[in-house]
Amino acid sequence: GAVVSQHPSWVICKSGTSVKIECRSLDFQATTMFWYRQFPKQSLMLMATSNEGSKATYEQGVEKDKFLINHASLTLSTLTVTSAHPEDSSFYICSARDGRGQGSNQPQHFGDGTRLSIL
Amino acid sequence: AQSVAQPEDQVNVAEGNPLTVKCTYSVSGNPYLFWYVQYPNRGLQFLLKYITGDNLVKGSYGFEAEFNKSQTSFHLKKPSALVSDSALYFCAVRDGKAAGNKLTFGGGTRVLVKP
Repeated sequence: GAVVSQHPSWVICKSGTSVKIECRSLDFQATTMFWYRQFPKQSLMLMATSNEGSKATYEQGVEKDKFLINHASLTLSTLTVTSAHPEDSSFYICSARDGRGQGSNQPQHFGDGTRLSIL
Repeated sequence: AQSVAQPEDQVNVAEGNPLTVKCTYSVSGNPYLFWYVQYPNRGLQFLLKYITGDNLVKGSYGFEAEFNKSQTSFHLKKPSALVSDSALYFCAVRDGKAAGNKLTFGGGTRVLVKP
């Protein structure tokens, strides 16, 4: 089945550090990838939609300069949390949709998430 | 706008008993409905989807869900729950008429299956 690989799975770093999270679709081409943030015991909050070869679309309230998204190829999107602070600590999950055929019929496939802890 | 409601924060069930996780949705176009399961510190795993066709959809790990258009519901069911089914379950909807539309998730329901 479709697999999405997210790396790293766990990051602990000092305040002020920038952290890059990678999301790869391993066996399909993902024209669209999504980045979510999940707080403890809560649902997923969509942060942005990443489109290959174009600028990401950010949800209201999400700082684009804080959360930099790059979708340089059909199999890779990256999220960089710039100058991270303790309030950025969270569980970040990426997702990709198979762009083949009737893409909107296809489920989104999720990475295993990245737990980011800023000290 | 589209939305999903999962009215129960937690469902407790004894192993071997039937399991039901409720979900209702609101969407302006055709609903594309999905169920996902999340284990601790993991991403979401796809269980099943309804796009069109039979209202009863069968998915992974013995789960099924029934699409009810009149009640705008898509409840997840399993005839006999296992302890390993204990996890967080998310219902999600996408508007099938809107190209590239986003997936909207419910708040999640924690399932606890007791031995």
